[in-house]
Parts: sequence; C-alpha cells; structure tokens
Amino acid sequence: DVKVTQSSRYLVKRTGEKVFLECVQDMDHENMFWYRQDPGLGLRLIYFSYDVKMKEKGDIPEGYSVSREKKERFSLILESASTNQTSMYLCASSWPEGTGWVRSYNEQFFGPGTRLTVL
Amino acid sequence: EDKVVQSPLSLVVHEGDTVTLNCSYEVTNFRSLLWYKQEKKAPTFLFMLTSSGIEKKSGRLSSILDKKELFSILNITATQTGDSAVYLCAQTGANNLFFGTGTRLTVIP
Repeated sequence: DVKVTQSSRYLVKRTGEKVFLECVQDMDHENMFWYRQDPGLGLRLIYFSYDVKMKEKGDIPEGYSVSREKKERFSLILESASTNQTSMYLCASSWPEGTGWVRSYNEQFFGPGTRLTVL
Repeated sequence: EDKVVQSPLSLVVHEGDTVTLNCSYEVTNFRSLLWYKQEKKAPTFLFMLTSSGIEKKSGRLSSILDKKELFSILNITATQTGDSAVYLCAQTGANNLFFGTGTRLTVIP
C-alpha cells in the first residue's frame, strides 16, 4: 500500500513564525503536491514537484515556498505565518505519466492532512 | 471563474436510494477527469476517466465522461450510510489540475 505521511495532524502557530510542514511518501513517486483545503473553496494547489530539486507554482503560491532535497520528502514552508494561512494542508504524491519533462496528475495518494491554525 | 463546477453542492438521501453527482469542466488541454471520495481527512481515489462514453465501475459506484458536453457523472446505487462523504472531481491538463468544491452526500438510515 502506498503511504503518504505528514509530520503533524494539528499545529498551532503564532503570526510571523516560520512553519515547516513535512510530507514523506514511500512509493518512489516522482510527483509530489501540496494543497490547502478551505470551506467553499475546495482543494487548491500551492506547489508541486516532479523531481528532486524541481518545483513549480500552483494556483496559490504566494506566502509559501517548498523544498525537495530527497525524492521521498516534500516540505512546505511558511516563511512568516499569517492568520489567512489557517487551513487544512494536504500533501499528495503520484507516479509520472511519462519521463523527463512530461508531468502528470494521475491518481494521487493523499496524506492525512495537517490542520494549521495561525493565531 | 471556477474551472470545475460540481452539483449539487449538498445532497441528503435515504439508504437504498440512487444518486447522481455532476461535474462540469473546461476543455483547455484536457487530459483526465478524476473522482475522489473524502470522508474525514484525506481524499481517496475513485476513478480516472480519459475517454468519452466508457463507463468505469467499482461495486456500486460508476462514472462516465462526456468529452463533447464537458461533464462527468458519478453514480452510486443502493446507497449506504458509509457512502456519506464529500465527493470531489478534478480536471487535469497538460500542466495544471483543478478541483471542484465538492458535493457533500449524506445518507440517512
């Protein structure tokens, strides 16, 4: 079974703090994704990565950065947390459809989510 | 403007009923249409549809894609309380992915 784990289930931080959300997958997937999920807005893509050290912005990258130093690990960083970043954060991974620069969003396996509250 | 629109937003049915959930999407660089079920936390994958008119089936769940009319439906027959969840659809393109806001299905005994 594919397993995607996230470092924390619940996290409470103060405005201005630096926040690290970690995601690890054990299936050797090339693609990894970070989403946030808010009521009425659905799942929105923040960043994704299709290889080690490769990243691309999703729909709402502002206020976030990411790091992918190892294939199995994809980190989401909030440099200076703000109250509007209070949300559920979901990480996902998937196999690529092709190779090289071809990227795919096939079946994604999601982690359990991190509910982040910024006070 | 929403790229993926799901309807209804919310649905309450009795056990044993059949439900149809709708998902309409944009055509730009369409690659696939995905359905997920989200109960309490992480969405779990249900179906991926790429070809028009071919029904995918898994137990009481089935889904079909209409690439001409740009929509997909998810059918659940003989619903059970365990089907209560938010059902998400997502469109993937060459370099993007968009989720709808989901349909919340509640199945009451």
